Amino acid sequence: KAGVTQTPRYLIKTRGQQVTLSCSPISGHRSVSWYQQTPGQGLQFLFEYFSETQRNKGNFPGRFSGRQFSNSRSEMNVSTLELGDSALYLCASSFLTGGSVANEKLFFGSGTQLSVL
Amino acid sequence: KNEVEQSPQNLTAQEGEFITINCSYSVGISALHWLQQHPGGGIVSLFMLSSGKKKHGRLIATINIQEKHSSLHITASHPRDSAVYICAVVGSLYGGSQGNLIFGKGTKLSVKP
Repeated sequence: KAGVTQTPRYLIKTRGQQVTLSCSPISGHRSVSWYQQTPGQGLQFLFEYFSETQRNKGNFPGRFSGRQFSNSRSEMNVSTLELGDSALYLCASSFLTGGSVANEKLFFGSGTQLSVL
Repeated sequence: KNEVEQSPQNLTAQEGEFITINCSYSVGISALHWLQQHPGGGIVSLFMLSSGKKKHGRLIATINIQEKHSSLHITASHPRDSAVYICAVVGSLYGGSQGNLIFGKGTKLSVKP
């Protein structure tokens, strides 16, 4: 079975631009969650999607948004990029038999390293 | 004060040593995850537990809900165990400002041959 695939692997943008990151979960997994990792703040939860619906959202500004498609693939978008958005963005998928995605084993992608200049 | 505290922050061990990494949390939780992150960013989920103890190969994870504490043990450590180990909790009332999962800052382990 293929693992979680994130594209692109690396991305360089300038302040004010917007960016879209993609995540393809493991086949059969219906839940996708997104995380931001920076050296200063560590890992932080962004959002969680299940069956095309956002179930939970972390404490991030509205410039961060996401969606999930009917095939469970997910995208996240960051508009009006700021220097502080430079980070590794990770997504994880899980099968989700019930309850919260965080009570299921998570399978992570390799991440997208975003640099904002 | 962070809701999830890990200790130590950095750990250097000789190959073969027994290693313990600790995680303490201040919120009520429904589950706790131990994650392993190698250089380059890839994260692997090691354990998800809500009570007691789990074992997988040389890795053992325990949790004490009353004391709000979990430990990750590595027996007979090996250089390939060198990685960052991260504890993450699920708030039982989604407590904390970080939504679904609240992460510790990680413990960087280096095992020397």
